[in-house]
Amino acid sequence: GESVGLHLPTLSVQEGDNSIINCAYSNSASDYFIWYKQESGKGPQFIIDIRSNMDKRQGQRVTVLLNKTVKHLSLQIAATQPGDSAVYFCAETRMDSSYKLIFGSGTRLLVRP
Amino acid sequence: NAGVMQNPRHLVRRRGQEARLRCSPMKGHSHVYWYRQLPEEGLKFMVYLQKENIIDESGMPKERFSAEFPKEGPSILRIQQVVRGDSAAYFCASSPNSVPRNGNTIYFGEGSWLTVV
Repeated sequence: GESVGLHLPTLSVQEGDNSIINCAYSNSASDYFIWYKQESGKGPQFIIDIRSNMDKRQGQRVTVLLNKTVKHLSLQIAATQPGDSAVYFCAETRMDSSYKLIFGSGTRLLVRP
Repeated sequence: NAGVMQNPRHLVRRRGQEARLRCSPMKGHSHVYWYRQLPEEGLKFMVYLQKENIIDESGMPKERFSAEFPKEGPSILRIQQVVRGDSAAYFCASSPNSVPRNGNTIYFGEGSWLTVV
């Protein structure tokens, strides 16, 4: 069935450290992946995306890694800041229904000052 | 989140009442999506609409839920005879086309929080 899940429900890091949030997906037909940030009481906010023909993509302070062999996705945040505290979701889409985002269950990131 | 307007932001309904949630997409967007988020869970796709058409409602419960996107006005998600299990955040998203191959072309609203008492 459809399944995009995360290994760690809560991650606590020291300000300034790097954060790594992981995500596993179950369907090898998934070809596009997105990381979202959701702050309390708000809607998801796009962070970074990656297509299945890539294994790494970098943005500003964020990097997404894709390992298709083990169906694993990760989000790395460099020099984590208090403003990074939020819930992070990975989402996938498939070619046969590219408009439909399938979200994982989320990881809460807490940044200690 | 800029531009996708949802209202009301918070709605309280008693069991058996009706809930109507409205969504105005970003200017120039003609494709609307509704998602539901239960507490501590990820968003779940409900329905995809274009103007006057329901394209995919595979995520909608078969009873009590309906959605529309009329030629004029906002998209409406309607829940009849609400039950406690309908308590959730309902998010609307919009995109300029039906094949949003770039995640940064899908914009989410701030959500409508429904509480059924």
